[in-house]
Amino acid sequence: ETGVTQTPRHLVMGMTNKKSLKCEQHLGHNAMYWYKQSAKKPLELMFVYSLEERVENNSVPSRFSPECPNSSHLFLHLHTLQPEDSALYLCATARAFNTGELFFGEGSRLTVL
Amino acid sequence: SQQGEEDPQALSIQEGENATMNCSYKTSINNLQWYRQNSGRGLVHLILIRSNEREKHSGRLRVTLDTSKKSSSLLITASRAADTASYFCATVLTGGGNKLTFGTGTQLKVEL
Repeated sequence: ETGVTQTPRHLVMGMTNKKSLKCEQHLGHNAMYWYKQSAKKPLELMFVYSLEERVENNSVPSRFSPECPNSSHLFLHLHTLQPEDSALYLCATARAFNTGELFFGEGSRLTVL
Repeated sequence: SQQGEEDPQALSIQEGENATMNCSYKTSINNLQWYRQNSGRGLVHLILIRSNEREKHSGRLRVTLDTSKKSSSLLITASRAADTASYFCATVLTGGGNKLTFGTGTQLKVEL
């Protein structure tokens, strides 16, 4: 139990579906991150929120839409995805945006058909 | 090109042996971190070493940092089957906030 919970753990969706990934943290951290992990590639940083404000958007396609309604929750809304978007999506938190250690959730395995 | 690159890509050893993984990076860093990932799971932070540190220990883990060579190594002593996982180094660039840049990892398999 890392204190960062991601749901669902597995998601299969068609290219025309709309779905959302959820991340909830119980650590009281101020920074929250979305990473994408594809096979044979380094982790890709997608979005960063610090104190509920988006501070980083790494040229992510608009079919991915993040939302941080409060300091405990982070969502990744998915719409009109492509098969190449199939990956493990990892949520992570940090005490603050400039501190070192990240705490990861278990990830949401997404398959786009 | 990526900042951190681990070497080797894969490593297979017997239980009880030591495992050494290396990480090279390209630009000046604030700190370097090592993470472990069991198959299909999230990453777990192992150790953080700052640019002004040369060596850190945590249980059976020993991390070294050579900023002149822009490289780090992770040594796991007396390995166990439970150490089987992928190991990633991640760097925080000087002036880079908390933006961690990960490598592609070393897959370690510890056999009984």
